[in-house]
Amino acid sequence: ETGVTQTPRHLVMGMTNKKSLKCEQHLGHNAMYWYKQSAKKPLELMFVYNFKEQTENNSVPSRFSPECPNSSHLFLHLHTLQPEDSALYLCASSPQGFNEQFFGPGTRLTVL
Amino acid sequence: AQSVAQPEDQVKVAEGNPLTVKCTYSVSGNPYLFWYVQYPNRGLQFLLKYITGDNLVKGSYGFEAEFNKSQTSFHLKKPSALVSDSALYFCAVRGGAAGNKLTFGGGTRVLVKP
Repeated sequence: ETGVTQTPRHLVMGMTNKKSLKCEQHLGHNAMYWYKQSAKKPLELMFVYNFKEQTENNSVPSRFSPECPNSSHLFLHLHTLQPEDSALYLCASSPQGFNEQFFGPGTRLTVL
Repeated sequence: AQSVAQPEDQVKVAEGNPLTVKCTYSVSGNPYLFWYVQYPNRGLQFLLKYITGDNLVKGSYGFEAEFNKSQTSFHLKKPSALVSDSALYFCAVRGGAAGNKLTFGGGTRVLVKP
């Protein structure tokens, strides 16, 4: 595994629940990302944070709310999700510049 | 807008044979190209990248990729495939104007048969 950890690894929630996904990177990177990976779609970029500031919101519904309290931690707060939101949610980090991103193992989310 | 196409959903090869996974891209300005691999229940692992310089890029696990500007391609290759190379492979591109935003292709599933 890389230096990016995600918890929980698996999450089952009802449509009325509120839950949060956590991502932590130990690589000293300044940029962090949330991606959604579903069975029938390629990787979809959701949010980008640079130096704790959100720099990209890829038209993500407001039921997904990101939070980046510092350069090492990234959260994705979930509320009133829909079954179609079931997917693998991947966190990534990277240094500044045209460098590769390092991915965590993902959280497998199932919305009932 | 930048985009990536991986024309094959699946590639099957016999162990020991050459493996090629195709990727073409569209981007404004100079392209920055990446290959990642994803094993079951894992995140993506970086294999190699092209930023500038030599068109043939060597990466992890014996993989290499060739940047072809005229054909806007960045095909991934391995001279002799292993069963353990069976996985999902993603090509990604970043254009100079896109900041650190990566656009991924749809992925190609590689199956290496013993």
